[in-house]
Amino acid sequence: ELKVEQNPLFLSMQEGKNYTIYCNYSTTSDRLYWYRQDPGKSLESLFVLLSNGAVKQEGRLMASLDTKARLSTLHITAAVHDLSATYFCAYYGQNFVFGPGTRLSVLP
Amino acid sequence: GAGVSQSPSNKVTEKGKDVELRCDPISGHTALYWYRQSLGQGLEFLIYFQGNSAPDKSGLPSDRFSAERTGGSVSTLTIQRTQQEDSAVYLCASRGRSGGPPDTQYFGPGTRLTVL
Repeated sequence: ELKVEQNPLFLSMQEGKNYTIYCNYSTTSDRLYWYRQDPGKSLESLFVLLSNGAVKQEGRLMASLDTKARLSTLHITAAVHDLSATYFCAYYGQNFVFGPGTRLSVLP
Repeated sequence: GAGVSQSPSNKVTEKGKDVELRCDPISGHTALYWYRQSLGQGLEFLIYFQGNSAPDKSGLPSDRFSAERTGGSVSTLTIQRTQQEDSAVYLCASRGRSGGPPDTQYFGPGTRLTVL
């Protein structure tokens, strides 16, 4: 069965702190995607990782991909309240398979 | 440019009625996806259209669900004899090579379906 797991599912953190969200997937894929969803809104593409060792950074978010470990990470540096959202990873095999999402709350 | 649009944005219906949800993808995008998202949950794949190929219907939960894509553009998701468990947000996404990162899906705002 094609599966994507995210860890943690819920994350509450203080502003200014660092944290990492983990995304494990069950089959070989060299394409991994991260999306952000604000409450009541649709999904917005954050990163597309297309090869082993790929690293992308945008502001306080950095995503990386290790295809051998079937693991992607989303690292948050010096969190701010505006980053509060649900973050989904997805891999592409025959179709897109999404993880359950990590609900992030950044507290002042 | 214009993004993916969906209509209606909200739909309230009675159990047993049929509903149609519409998706207008980004112009030129050849791939179109439908997903379902229940409250507080992740995305559940429903169906995928790619160009003129036969759609991948492997995610449709029952034969009450069907979808078509006319002229390679607009898509309609139809749910017949709606049940309360069909209540969810239905998201449409398109994908193509009209700019932006490769293979990114662009999502519409969704249709929130409530079955009473």
